Order: sequence, then C-alpha cells, then structure tokens
Amino acid sequence: GAVVSQHPSRVICKSGTSVKIECRSLDFQATTMFWYRQFPKQSLMLMATSNEGSKATYEQGVEKDKFLINHASLTLSTLTVTSAHPEDSSFYICSVRRAGTSLTDTQYFGPGTRLTVL
Amino acid sequence: AQRVTQPEKLLSVFKGAPVELKCNYSYSGSPELFWYVQYSRQRLQLLLRHISRESIKGFTADLNKGETSFHLKKPFAQEEDSAMYYCALNRDDKIIFGKGTRLHILP
Repeated sequence: GAVVSQHPSRVICKSGTSVKIECRSLDFQATTMFWYRQFPKQSLMLMATSNEGSKATYEQGVEKDKFLINHASLTLSTLTVTSAHPEDSSFYICSVRRAGTSLTDTQYFGPGTRLTVL
Repeated sequence: AQRVTQPEKLLSVFKGAPVELKCNYSYSGSPELFWYVQYSRQRLQLLLRHISRESIKGFTADLNKGETSFHLKKPFAQEEDSAMYYCALNRDDKIIFGKGTRLHILP
C-alpha cells in the first residue's frame, strides 16, 4: 500500500493566490522529506529538503519566499506556493525518507499534485 | 557537476527483443546509483540500485566505473515494461534524477 500521500491531487487556482500542498508519511515517522517539481515531459527537479523542526534547505535557483515549506511534524510537510503565477503550473512530488535509516534503504514517493495557475 | 545523463528521450523496442537504457554519470568519488520507474498513472518507484546488485522484473544494471555508466538492461522486453525510466544518483543524501527515457514496447 501507499506509504506517502499528497493532498490535493489536483488544484486549479487564480494568478496571485497561494496554494498549499500537503505531504503525509502514512506508515512511519520521517525526519526528512523532499519536494520535487516536474514539468511536462521533463525530469524531476529537486526543489528543497524539508527537515522536521528546522528550516528547509533549498536548491540553487529555488526561491524560498516563493515556495514556503513547513515540516511541522514527523508525518507532515507542506509546500505553499505563494502568489502563484502561470509559470508555477507544474507537477509537485514529495518524497519521504524514513527516520533512522540510510537514504538508500527507504525512499518513497508521493503520487504528486498537479497545480494549474490560470 | 555531479549529474546523470540519459541520452535517449524515447526508446522503442519490439516485444521479446533486448532492452538497454543508457545512463552515464558524472561524480567525484564512489557514486550511489539507482534506476526508478514510473508506469502510466502511477507514482515513481525504485526499480533497482547498484549496491544491491539485484535483478528486478528481469532488469539488471552494472556500474562501469571506466565508462562512468550504469545502463539498464533486460534480455527480453515485455509489453508491461512500457514506462518512463529515470536514472538517479545520491548526491549529499539527495536523489538527483536524469531526464528520463520513455520505453515503448511494440507488439
């Protein structure tokens, strides 16, 4: 069964509004979650690493004020796209790293959230 | 820069024919490499990783340090192998993906 869920699976919003995407680890506690972005017919691009209880670490070129990440608990990380614009339209995927083990042993991916900004 | 390169966007192979999906890497040190697969309308999932030296669904991949390659192979393609395949590496405890290759198995 699925170990990572995302909500919503699909969202359409108007330009200028903010959208929150949730990523939940269902079966275990996760100290680290990752957020990826995928454009149509392109690869997954790592946006940021979400660490429980501390600030997220953003990859080069990703605006931290644009993409707010909150890892409030060991089972929930949220990505908020602030003041969304059409160019933010994309597929956002989270990935969960199981607490207490090496990355290579446990890397689970969510089903993704399709964001469309009108 | 530490990255993986998948030179083919699309690979079409007849059912029963051998499959080879190419992946080359650039990494200083000993890389940890993976192949991920995404079937239609499904989430991304790990297919195999080089440290396990395993064979999943008939697929294998060998790390060739001389050629800096980690090609994915299967001797006989099956229709259910049609999917998007991503080569990936572990960079500072983060999974970094290649651009992916779409494998299309022809009947």
